[in-house]
Amino acid sequence: NAGVMQNPRHLVRRRGQEARLRCSPMKGHSHVYWYRQLPEEGLKFMVYLQKENIIDESGMPKERFSAEFPKEGPSILRIQQVVRGDSAAYFCASSGQTNEKLFFGSGTQLSVL
Amino acid sequence: AQSVTQLGSHVSVSEGALVLLRCNYSSSVPPYLFWYVQYPNQGLQLLLKYTSAATLVKGINGFEAEFKKSETSFHLTKPSAHMSDAAEYFCAVRDDTGGFKTIFGAGTRLFVKA
Repeated sequence: NAGVMQNPRHLVRRRGQEARLRCSPMKGHSHVYWYRQLPEEGLKFMVYLQKENIIDESGMPKERFSAEFPKEGPSILRIQQVVRGDSAAYFCASSGQTNEKLFFGSGTQLSVL
Repeated sequence: AQSVTQLGSHVSVSEGALVLLRCNYSSSVPPYLFWYVQYPNQGLQLLLKYTSAATLVKGINGFEAEFKKSETSFHLTKPSAHMSDAAEYFCAVRDDTGGFKTIFGAGTRLFVKA
């Protein structure tokens, strides 16, 4: 399966811990997008990355959240000192050079206790 | 900046009835518009996209959408609903003015009654 792979599918953290969410884009894709989905709120854009570059992070909270997409390996969304309000489904999507159609992973459901 | 508004967070239809999910967009440039579908516990899948080639766009599973510039609308339709169409549907616009990110509407959950 050469689709977008996200892991873990479910992540449980206690308040104050760190959460690391991983996303491997489709083969050949160099554009990665992270979205957060809360119930009844749709998908909210967080960050758009290309290899080794953050292109648009206008949707990222100013504190505790960071993202990277290194030259080798998956893209990582990192949330430090998690709070209950961070509980949500986090989706990663990738696209090819055209930046048109997005291919989504199955998401990571983060639960903060 | 581009944005999309989906009218109706929930829509319920009977099996075999017409499906109409509404989407209005705001864009200062000719838009790229999309409809995505999300089944429970899954990521989004592309249903169809508008890229200015034709105003009536046909997608997968019998869905289609019509781009109407005068109404700034891109409503999704299907002539006859099937139980398997029950899902959440998202209208989206690609923001070409600021970084090429895709902006999603809040979603419309479609219920199909037997």
